[in-house]
Amino acid sequence: SQTIHQWPATLVQPVGSPLSLECTVEGTSNPNLYWYRQAAGRGLQLLFYSVGIGQISSEVPQNLSASRPQDRQFILSSKKLLLSDSGFYLCAWISTGTVHSPLHFGNGTRLTVT
Amino acid sequence: AQTVTQSQPEMSVQEAETVTLSCTYDTSESNYYLFWYKQPPSRQMILVIRQEAYKQQNATENRFSVNFQKAAKSFSLKISDSQLGDTAMYFCAFRTSGSRLTFGEGTQLTVNP
Repeated sequence: SQTIHQWPATLVQPVGSPLSLECTVEGTSNPNLYWYRQAAGRGLQLLFYSVGIGQISSEVPQNLSASRPQDRQFILSSKKLLLSDSGFYLCAWISTGTVHSPLHFGNGTRLTVT
Repeated sequence: AQTVTQSQPEMSVQEAETVTLSCTYDTSESNYYLFWYKQPPSRQMILVIRQEAYKQQNATENRFSVNFQKAAKSFSLKISDSQLGDTAMYFCAFRTSGSRLTFGEGTQLTVNP
């Protein structure tokens, strides 16, 4: 069965510090991978998605970047965090080629920038 | 552009009663899938139900069912016999032949005892 792991679950970082959130998927190959951010009580904002190794599409200009060094690994990074980077970050994957496949989410990372 | 609109930011219902959450969408595609996700206070995203656009029969999963009106581009979620555990944020979403899912802004549902 397919599983998605996202860590850490909670993170408190000072302004100006670097960030690295990691997401891995097991039990599937060549998934499409996504990073979403969610402000409190709000909807999901798509930050990045990837259709393959080294292929990253950015949806909004921001202080963050993403990388996909391996087929089932997706990393969200920042060199210097801003207060506005605080939020709830969700990694997700989807099977390619089938429209009916739903998006499968990790458990999320709650990031607080102080 | 593809959009999803959930016009009810908040709703409440009494335990054991029925509630309907509305969702409308806009797309020029003919082949797509629609989804409802639930996000409880734990913030985990849970798939509730999905509907194929080419099927006229409305999807049903236990107490959850949808009313899919393709011509009106409407996809509402009905929750029957509401339970306290149904308290959550509910997101409507759809996916076309591309890889992206488009989400609505969500409806916060509170089930009162």
